[in-house]
Amino acid sequence: GAVVSQHPSRVICKSGTSVKIECRSLDFQATTMFWYRQFPKQSLMLMATSNEGSKATYEQGVEKDKFLINHASLTLSTLTVTSAHPEDSSFYICRGSQGGSGTEAFFGQGTRLTVV
Amino acid sequence: AQTVTQSQPEMSVQEAETVTLSCTYDTSESNYYLFWYKQPPSRQMILVIRQEAYKQQNATENRFSVNFQKAAKSFSLKISDSQLGDTAMYFCAIRTHNAGNMLTFGGGTRLMVKP
Repeated sequence: GAVVSQHPSRVICKSGTSVKIECRSLDFQATTMFWYRQFPKQSLMLMATSNEGSKATYEQGVEKDKFLINHASLTLSTLTVTSAHPEDSSFYICRGSQGGSGTEAFFGQGTRLTVV
Repeated sequence: AQTVTQSQPEMSVQEAETVTLSCTYDTSESNYYLFWYKQPPSRQMILVIRQEAYKQQNATENRFSVNFQKAAKSFSLKISDSQLGDTAMYFCAIRTHNAGNMLTFGGGTRLMVKP
């Protein structure tokens, strides 16, 4: 089946630095990438939706200048957490879709971010 | 907008027995898909089963089956012959036609299978 490869799986960074998370669709073209955040023992919360070649659409309450999303190609989308703070520590997971509402979509493996 | 509610934050079941996880949802649309995802300790999201709303027949996948009650907007998951590897978080989700491929998740149910 289709695979979305997400890296890194775990990252620890210092407060004030930036961290980039990559999601690559390996055997399909991900025209849309969904980015989620998950706190411990909670559900997945949609942060933003990005379509290849256009600006991401952010959910209410998500700071677009803090969570920069780039979807410059059909196989790569990135999420950069800028000037990270301890409260940004969380599990981030992407989900790539190759088309419209009738098509399947696939999750990456997730990234556990710890900001110290 | 869609909402998904999972009323059981935690459940446990003895190995080899059957357990049912509840899910209710709300949508004004008639064309949608429902899903159950499993998230084991690795946190990888694994699709367990999906149901198209227009299909009356309940979906089944080996030991996993659903009870889809469209009028009641209920979508429960039954796990038969529970195995230790079924221990995980389970999320119910809905995807509507008008929302493209966006999923709305429930709050999750933590299932513990006991030996």
